[in-house]
Amino acid sequence: EAGVTQFPSHSVIEKGQTVTLRCDPISGHDNLYWYRRVMGKEIKFLLHFVKESKQDESGMPNNRFLAERTGGTYSTLKVQPAELEDSGVYFCASSPRLHLGPEAFFGQGTRLTVV
Amino acid sequence: SQELEQSPQSLIVQEGKNLTINCTSSKTLYGLYWYKQKYGEGLIFLMMLQKGGEEKSHEKITAKLDEKKQQSSLHITASQPSHAGIYLCGADKDSNYQLIWGAGTKLIIKP
Repeated sequence: EAGVTQFPSHSVIEKGQTVTLRCDPISGHDNLYWYRRVMGKEIKFLLHFVKESKQDESGMPNNRFLAERTGGTYSTLKVQPAELEDSGVYFCASSPRLHLGPEAFFGQGTRLTVV
Repeated sequence: SQELEQSPQSLIVQEGKNLTINCTSSKTLYGLYWYKQKYGEGLIFLMMLQKGGEEKSHEKITAKLDEKKQQSSLHITASQPSHAGIYLCGADKDSNYQLIWGAGTKLIIKP
């Protein structure tokens, strides 16, 4: 069984540019979560999808961030325009249930560097 | 707001030695998760604790939640190179998925 896959693994962009991160969850997992870890700080929740619907996007930092999950399969997280403080590692997780735990799996993360 | 403090921030241990990582909360914990991350890989679920005094073990890793449910410890016995990585604790916040996280403990195993 394939795990959670994130693309790209690394991205270096200039301030003001646009970047789109992608997450392919485990097939059949309705719940998809985005988290990010800014350098030197703890992991923070960004948002949660149940199928194609945004269940909770309270963690999205501002309107430069847009997440979508069309068709309830893969999800994208777009940052436009990117700022220096957006640098960090963006994690995606999927789960068949509404909570993290043994049934939830994380992707390897996308390391975003804004210069 | 609730915060999780992990200690130590980093740890270098001789292979074969035991070690303990702590996770302390400013508020009562209703669910405490331990994860491990290796460089370039996703977070791997280790254990989840919910009840005061609960203790769980998996292979050589044991996690405990104290009776007051404000501190958890992760203990590794006879450490091996495969134990190296970053250990993260996470706790239920308002829901079961919007976890709050500790900053992580970087574990290095010296051969």
